[in-house]
Amino acid sequence: EVQLVESGGGLIQPGGSLRLSCAASGFTVSSNYMSWVRQAPGKGLEWVSVIYSGGSTYYADSVKGRFTISRDNSKNTLYLQMNSLRAEDTAVYYCARDRVVVTTSYYYYYGMDVWGQGTTVTVSS
Amino acid sequence: QSALTQPPSASGSPGQSVTISCTGTSSDVGGYNYVSWYQQHPGKAPKLMIYEVSKRPSGVPDRFSGSKSGNTASLTVSGLQAEDEADYYCSSYAGSNTYVVFGGGTKLTVL
Repeated sequence: EVQLVESGGGLIQPGGSLRLSCAASGFTVSSNYMSWVRQAPGKGLEWVSVIYSGGSTYYADSVKGRFTISRDNSKNTLYLQMNSLRAEDTAVYYCARDRVVVTTSYYYYYGMDVWGQGTTVTVSS
Repeated sequence: QSALTQPPSASGSPGQSVTISCTGTSSDVGGYNYVSWYQQHPGKAPKLMIYEVSKRPSGVPDRFSGSKSGNTASLTVSGLQAEDEADYYCSSYAGSNTYVVFGGGTKLTVL
């Protein structure tokens, strides 16, 4: 069964650090584009970061320089290292698989087809 | 403020059809045929309902359909059922740096 399971959320003081994990089963993380998406309480979805199958990484401006996405191929796990946390980072964090097909001449994006259950991060003193 | 604009709410009676709009720019919705729609029930993870503007993943009822004209995409839910009551989010690919942008979400109520 294709599945993503997040962990690592919790209550953290402003300025602190936290690392989220997303364990995958049923598919290989390193062969896919993988994203982190967050949802603040009562708010909509916000894309946070993506790691391409080739290893390139991109971030939303709101987290650039503070968050780092990475993966451990041996553990088939995706990570999000979050530093210098702020109150506005409080959210449920989801990991998701992006369905992307890249050819020599084109790029196909088919959406985020697998999502984890989410892990809650609360930044508060 | 979300990158894509959706109405905050929509409603319809069982059996009716409802359409939710999603307006972006030429840098996202208008620039790529990579609009996706997600359904989210309270306390649950989002679920992909539509990708590539109008395609449905396996298992999604054909009551859900998508379209696009210029910078505006739309999701239509036909034959409304009680279980369709949920939040719906549009998203669009927006190039390698911005990657993906989401709409603010629309709460669909089945009356």
